[in-house]
Amino acid sequence: AQTVTQSQPEMSVQEAETVTLSCTYDTSESDYYLFWYKQPPSRQMILVIRQEAYKQQNATENRFSVNFQKAAKSFSLKISDSQLGDAAMYFCALSNSGYALNFGKGTSLLVTP
Amino acid sequence: DSGVTQTPKHLITATGQRVTLRCSPRSGDLSVYWYQQSLDQGLQFLIQYYNGEERAKGNILERFSAQQFPDLHSELNLSSLELGDSALYFCASSVVGQPQETQYFGPGTRLLVL
Repeated sequence: AQTVTQSQPEMSVQEAETVTLSCTYDTSESDYYLFWYKQPPSRQMILVIRQEAYKQQNATENRFSVNFQKAAKSFSLKISDSQLGDAAMYFCALSNSGYALNFGKGTSLLVTP
Repeated sequence: DSGVTQTPKHLITATGQRVTLRCSPRSGDLSVYWYQQSLDQGLQFLIQYYNGEERAKGNILERFSAQQFPDLHSELNLSSLELGDSALYFCASSVVGQPQETQYFGPGTRLLVL
């Protein structure tokens, strides 16, 4: 069985500051893929960033980057220069040979002016 | 806009009834996934189709069924509805349904069972 755990139900950050959202996972497979999705109040699920487990280099997308620690099974998301529009629910997800995404419970991010 | 469309956006119905949710994948995508998002269960995978065939099954109840048609659109049928079926139902699509692919989500159908 595989599990994805997000231990921070809520996080808060000031505009222009940096925040890190935590995610740990467990899988017995060596080939897998990790994702962060954002769900704003509109409820749309939007891909933020993805990481292939076989790649050592951490993925980066503009202000979003990950810290992928394969041995520790950790996949945290760092948001730099936070903006009001970053306020949303963030979900960490894992996919492997089971094809479907296995999601964590989510972290609600509040951005304050 | 992800390119995945879902209808209807909202659905209100009564216990015991049957409803059909519809999904059209992104142009060119052959694989469709259905997910349920509820307050107590979070986001759960229900079922996946690839080019008309069922590929993987998750926590889908026997009262629920789905299919993917030759034009690649998919329908999720929910029957004998219970209060606990109230949730947001997402459809997602990807090119050929492999785990390394990004899944693009539709806007969801919000189901309320009274």
